[in-house]
Amino acid sequence: DAKTTQPTSMDCAEGRAANLPCNHSTISGNEYVYWYRQIHSQGPQYIIHGLKNNETNEMASLIITEDRKSSTLILPHATLRDTAVYYCIVRVAEGGSQGNLIFGKGTKLSVKP
Amino acid sequence: DGGITQSPKYLFRKEGQNVTLSCEQNLNHDAMYWYRQDPGQGLRLIYYSQIVNDFQKGDIAEGYSVSREKKESFPLTVTSAQKNPTAFYLCASSGIAKNIQYFGAGTRLSVL
Repeated sequence: DAKTTQPTSMDCAEGRAANLPCNHSTISGNEYVYWYRQIHSQGPQYIIHGLKNNETNEMASLIITEDRKSSTLILPHATLRDTAVYYCIVRVAEGGSQGNLIFGKGTKLSVKP
Repeated sequence: DGGITQSPKYLFRKEGQNVTLSCEQNLNHDAMYWYRQDPGQGLRLIYYSQIVNDFQKGDIAEGYSVSREKKESFPLTVTSAQKNPTAFYLCASSGIAKNIQYFGAGTRLSVL
């Protein structure tokens, strides 16, 4: 799996857009970008994933640069409940030999009133 | 509601005791996983199962055991051989899209 780099922490005002960056400069052509988040003392939650096109669902938007070396997760109107650690994971679609996801340190997003 | 159910939410283990953590899913997923999370750390894989009646060791399987007799169920036993069992245990499952995993709410295990 390609290595990812994320900022350790970010703050966002409630109601504003939260833009979480992820650097994955060694990504391979067949690797997807996945985003998960983990609210304190809960299990991780899948948010969105993409290969090269921008993606949007009911939770967030994912913007992947044309060279695919970085991406940004956008929460359009952050709420206090979006306070969590956000993980960017790069992986081939079929998963690894063990199938487990490898979560790094992630970005701790704090949404403030 | 469809999802993963873990129980209990909190569990206490006495010295020398085996304890079993329950994980049930009604998503009709073939693959199930057990992860361990220590404070401020990422998730580490304990065991995984790609199909009923088959399971494989993950990165930190020592002191743990599992069974997969039914598609819906993947219980984890923390044995007395696990000397540092205090952690947050997470169960997950996935379908055809292996990298989209659905997690339970977790079980927090402590030692008395």
